[in-house]
Amino acid sequence: SQTIHQWPATLVQPVGSPLSLECTVEGTSNPNLYWYRQAAGRGLQLLFYSVGIGQISSEVPQNLSASRPQDRQFILSSKKLLLSDSGFYLCAWSTSGGDEKLFFGSGTQLSVL
Amino acid sequence: GESVGLHLPTLSVQEGDNSIINCAYSNSASDYFIWYKQESGKGPQFIIDIRSNMDKRQGQRVTVLLNKTVKHLSLQIAATQPGDSAVYFCAERPAWRGGFKTIFGAGTRLFVKA
Repeated sequence: SQTIHQWPATLVQPVGSPLSLECTVEGTSNPNLYWYRQAAGRGLQLLFYSVGIGQISSEVPQNLSASRPQDRQFILSSKKLLLSDSGFYLCAWSTSGGDEKLFFGSGTQLSVL
Repeated sequence: GESVGLHLPTLSVQEGDNSIINCAYSNSASDYFIWYKQESGKGPQFIIDIRSNMDKRQGQRVTVLLNKTVKHLSLQIAATQPGDSAVYFCAERPAWRGGFKTIFGAGTRLFVKA
């Protein structure tokens, strides 16, 4: 069966510090991978998606970047965090063959102080 | 513009009653719709989906209804239980988006009273 791992679960970082959130998927090959952000009490905003190694599409201009160094690894990064980067970050995957269901990780609660 | 919105941000139901969560969408090009459940501090979980060539689909205690004429989606939960308390999101996958960009609604919080 497929599983998705996302870490850390919570993170408190000072403004201006770097960020690295990691997500890995097991039990499937060539998944589509996604990073979403969720503000408190709100819906989900798509930040990045990837259909393959090294292929990243950005949905919104921001202080963040994403990379996919391996087929089942997706990393969200920032060189200098802003207060506005605080939120709940969710990694997700879907199959590449047309099944559009998203399977989410457990999320990272990021607080930038 | 396109949007997936919810009629009610909060819904409170008695345990054992049926729950109905409504959702409106504006993109007539969308051909796939999904309901997700999100418990506090967790990632959303897939509940049920429906394609635009259907108007009803049933799962275990859940039913999704799609009315393309008025662009309305609903999730019905039978015999609501305390474990159903969560935020429910409807989502659409517009076909013209290339299949990668799920659009989520703002969510409805369901409270189940014992």
